[in-house]
This record gives sequence, C-alpha cells and structure tokens, in this order.
Amino acid sequence: QKEVEQDPGPLSVPEGAIVSLNCTYSNSAFQYFMWYRQYSRKGPELLMYTYSSGNKEDGRFTAQVDKSSKYISLFIRDSQPSDSATYLCAMSAFHSGAGSYQLTFGKGTKLSVIP
Amino acid sequence: SQTIHQWPATLVQPVGSPLSLECTVEGTSNPNLYWYRQAAGRGLQLLFYSVGIGQISSEVPQNLSASRPQDRQFILSSKKLLLSDSGFYLCAWSVQSGTVEQYFGPGTRLTVT
Repeated sequence: QKEVEQDPGPLSVPEGAIVSLNCTYSNSAFQYFMWYRQYSRKGPELLMYTYSSGNKEDGRFTAQVDKSSKYISLFIRDSQPSDSATYLCAMSAFHSGAGSYQLTFGKGTKLSVIP
Repeated sequence: SQTIHQWPATLVQPVGSPLSLECTVEGTSNPNLYWYRQAAGRGLQLLFYSVGIGQISSEVPQNLSASRPQDRQFILSSKKLLLSDSGFYLCAWSVQSGTVEQYFGPGTRLTVT
C-alpha cells in the first residue's frame, strides 16, 4: 500500500460547481496535511495546510482532515475556469535524521472547470 | 519577498551526456533546499535535500548527484544521463526553523533522447 493515495482523475465540472478532492494515507506519523495547486508546466503552489484533524477555510477553499479515517479533502466552492489545474495533496512528518519536515505527495488530481 | 529561480527552463539532452541544473533562492538565508523529480503518472519524488552548505542527503540511489556550493544555490548533476532521467525537475526551499511549508521553483523540463 502506498503511503498516499490520490485519484488522478481527470475530473471535469461545470463552472460554479462545488469540487471535492480527496486523499487517503497510511502513515499515522503524518502531522501536517497540505494542498498544492499546479498549473500545466509550472511548479506547485502551496494553497493551504492544516495541522492534525479539523477544518480550515481560505476564501473559496476548505481543507478537511480526518485522522481517524486517514482521509483528507479539499473543497472548492463556486469553481472557476481559473481553478483548472492539477491538485496535489502532501503530508508531512518530522524527519529526525534530516532535522526537518519531509513531504510525501499524492500523484495529483487533474481538474478542469468548464465555462 | 522570497524568490526561487531555476534554469534552464527546458533541456533536451542525448543519452550519456552530462547534466547540470541550477537553483537559486533570493530573499532568505540558510534555507533548507530540495530537489524533486516529477515523472508522468508518478507524482513528486524527493531526490536530495540540504540543510546547509556542503550538506547533502540522498533519498533515492541513482546516477544523479547534488551539491550546495553556496548558501542559496543548489545544483543537480549527472555524469551520464539515462532515458529514465527524463522528467520535470523541481527545486524547493523551506525555512530552517522547523516549518513545514515548502515553496517550489518554476521547474526544468528535461527530455533525454
């Protein structure tokens, strides 16, 4: 079983729809849960992150973490064509050997928002 | 504000040729630096990370190497490229004080022919 599983899609929705993106994981040591957005042929951009279980909202974006189920979600409200991108989930645990947090990424879900 | 640069943006190299990709960060001191590779359908794979000048840790054994000659400069190299080295190479940085956020550069798309 891979540490982080993410459905690659593609996911196509009409403009204005609510989008739900999800990841599951197996490593209980993960403490931080992050979402990156990556436009085609660009580097990933950090959208938001949460610590442990709970919800976090930033504008049209809401991140949810359920550690008991090892399941995280990103919701996008009132989706726009500019939201069309690949969304990567990432999870972090402290790497004592490195003395820093290391990220483990999902493969990404490709989202298209159709005008 | 902090800025991360990578060059070149795209590169086409024959099998067996050498490689040198460069990454520089502006606007911060003593960052942690990372090299990732993103291959089609395989997600982001951490290749190397560095917590200081001359300190390099490798996550995946392969024919690539990394060096950090200056505080804000990170270089990815290879003596002889393989077809399997093709991919999108991303440099990232983070603050050293135990934060989790990593910020990525624009990437270098490498095609080995």
